[in-house]
Amino acid sequence: GDSVTQMEGPVTLSEEAFLTINCTYTATGYPSLFWYVQYPGEGLQLLLKATKADDKGSNKGFEATYRKETTSFHLEKGSVQVSDSAVYFCALSDPYAGGTSYGKLTFGQGTILTVHP
Amino acid sequence: DAEITQSPRHKITETGRQVTLACHQTWNHNNMFWYRQDLGHGLRLIHYSYGVQDTNKGEVSDGYSVSRSNTEDLPLTLESAASSQTSVYFCASSEAGSDGYTFGSGTRLTVV
Repeated sequence: GDSVTQMEGPVTLSEEAFLTINCTYTATGYPSLFWYVQYPGEGLQLLLKATKADDKGSNKGFEATYRKETTSFHLEKGSVQVSDSAVYFCALSDPYAGGTSYGKLTFGQGTILTVHP
Repeated sequence: DAEITQSPRHKITETGRQVTLACHQTWNHNNMFWYRQDLGHGLRLIHYSYGVQDTNKGEVSDGYSVSRSNTEDLPLTLESAASSQTSVYFCASSEAGSDGYTFGSGTRLTVV
């Protein structure tokens, strides 16, 4: 079945440091890939997404490129801020997973990011 | 504005009791999902529905049930609550054929 694997966490950085959170996936079809963010005490918000190979999703200074050859979707940010402290989830939705829709989201285990001033 | 709401936000219940968590969306989405969030496991799918009268089991469905009698609601029932079901529960919805998902704010359930 479909699966998503994120790098082991938590990650602790100083403000303005470079961030990379690794994400790899397995899927039977051609999934859409997502990064979701969860701020303390809140629900999940879509951070960015990519729907086909070589697409780059970007938002709020974060970027991730859909790499089909390495089945990866790593999240990067050049200069993190304290306000970026949150839990980050990589996820996929496989349109061939069943039903007449894009089917269900499959999540990685999440990476806790803490940014210190 | 359209929204997806979960209730209650927090719930404490005793082992063996039946508990129902509510999820209501006004997006008119066909697809609705229930996930539980646990440290080290991310979000895992419990049940999902692609429309009225349609329900499907996810990867961690044991001990849970859902019913879909209308488009707006997908209540999640714990038949006999167990301590292993202490978790944060999220409801989500999406439009058929779309990869855009909307999440509720979550329900924190504690089983004592």
